[in-house]
Amino acid sequence: DQQVKQNSPSLSVQEGRISILNCDYTNSMFDYFLWYKKYPAEGPTFLISISSIKDKNEDGRFTVFLNKSAKHLSLHIVPSQPGDSAVYFCAASGPGTSYGKLTFGQGTILTVHP
Amino acid sequence: EAGVAQSPRYKIIEKRQSVAFWCNPISGHATLYWYQQILGQGPKLLIQFQNNGVVDDSQLPKDRFSAERLKGVDSTLKIQPAKLEDSAVYLCASSLSRPDQETQYFGPGTRLLVL
Repeated sequence: DQQVKQNSPSLSVQEGRISILNCDYTNSMFDYFLWYKKYPAEGPTFLISISSIKDKNEDGRFTVFLNKSAKHLSLHIVPSQPGDSAVYFCAASGPGTSYGKLTFGQGTILTVHP
Repeated sequence: EAGVAQSPRYKIIEKRQSVAFWCNPISGHATLYWYQQILGQGPKLLIQFQNNGVVDDSQLPKDRFSAERLKGVDSTLKIQPAKLEDSAVYLCASSLSRPDQETQYFGPGTRLLVL
């Protein structure tokens, strides 16, 4: 049972344009969502998070939007840079699971072309 | 601040052999996690420790996998005997696990290949 889904395995974007990565979840008990970035041969690195009491959170070039009714979140990167090329994972946690337990999506490979 | 340390970085073994991975979390982080990441998938939680107690091991294949966290700091994950399907990257993460500090910080992982 895939509770967190990233339906796009890959995304290709031109430098300077917007990258939009999407994530859907099925468990309505999830109340905290995170995005991680992963480079080859490294562990995932925390990028940005959002609590279910918000619908938007910004940090520099990165913005996460949460649509609770649709059980959907998205990560916007503006402007995209070649160094953003990596695998992006969304993750979720909430009551009903052990505190802090994260459920990850499958990941989306982002390629930003110069 | 030093990050999460893991060793070894790579390991190749034959099926039915045993293997152990080591993790040293960020200093002061009470919670430690072991994840398995199979190629093309997201990390899957195997076991979660709070200090030296197990919080969640519901997805740990206990017939072959074991883990311990000595004195609430370092942790070791063992596989005995290994199967081909255990080939994956094993990630260790740690967090403060306070309501305002839930972020998990990951180590570089150990890439295991079982032949």
